[in-house]
Amino acid sequence: KNQVEQSPQSLIILEGKNCTLQCNYTVSPFSNLRWYKQDTGRGPVSLTIMTFSENTKSNGRYTATLDADTKQSSLHITASQLSDSASYICVVSGRDYKLSFGAGTTVTVRA
Amino acid sequence: AAGVIQSPRHLIKEKRETATLKCYPIPRHDTVYWYQQGPGQDPQFLISFYEKMQSDKGSIPDRFSAQQFSDYHSELNMSSLELGDSALYFCASSLWTSVDTQYFGPGTRLTVL
Repeated sequence: KNQVEQSPQSLIILEGKNCTLQCNYTVSPFSNLRWYKQDTGRGPVSLTIMTFSENTKSNGRYTATLDADTKQSSLHITASQLSDSASYICVVSGRDYKLSFGAGTTVTVRA
Repeated sequence: AAGVIQSPRHLIKEKRETATLKCYPIPRHDTVYWYQQGPGQDPQFLISFYEKMQSDKGSIPDRFSAQQFSDYHSELNMSSLELGDSALYFCASSLWTSVDTQYFGPGTRLTVL
């Protein structure tokens, strides 16, 4: 069983709307959690990185939250734009520097 | 060089009693980890502390609690002991900036009768 589970697998939203992506993990001990955006055919781009002591972190219209007690994170996209269409990947780093990748959520923004 | 110190090394308790295990990390280490290893099993991560704050939580039962003190030593408090709590309890320490290297103590063997 994957140690990082993301949901939903994919979603379609209208331009200008908000959406929230979920990431649940079982990696333990925990070091940090990152959200990446990956456009089709391109490498992943880091959006946020959070350690256990950080509950929320924003990067423009992207806001990530982390609940280290329940081992849950979310990525909220505000006022979506067509350029937000991409895969969003949750990556959790354990205390031994091993990275565990989620399967990603594919977001499609339509005009 | 100083290593991780755990006390006591052995402890025998009756069911429903309480036990306190102590861990003294390597000097200047700011992070402490607790592990439980049952007979014939791999160590299971219980809980960790960094700078006196809980940094991560594993499979620690609700009957157990732990804390890290200002001198960085840590105590694992176990209440309402059950037969299944009989195990070897390891403490490890590290620097937060060198999380890939944890130094383990000799362990405390807890036997619940």
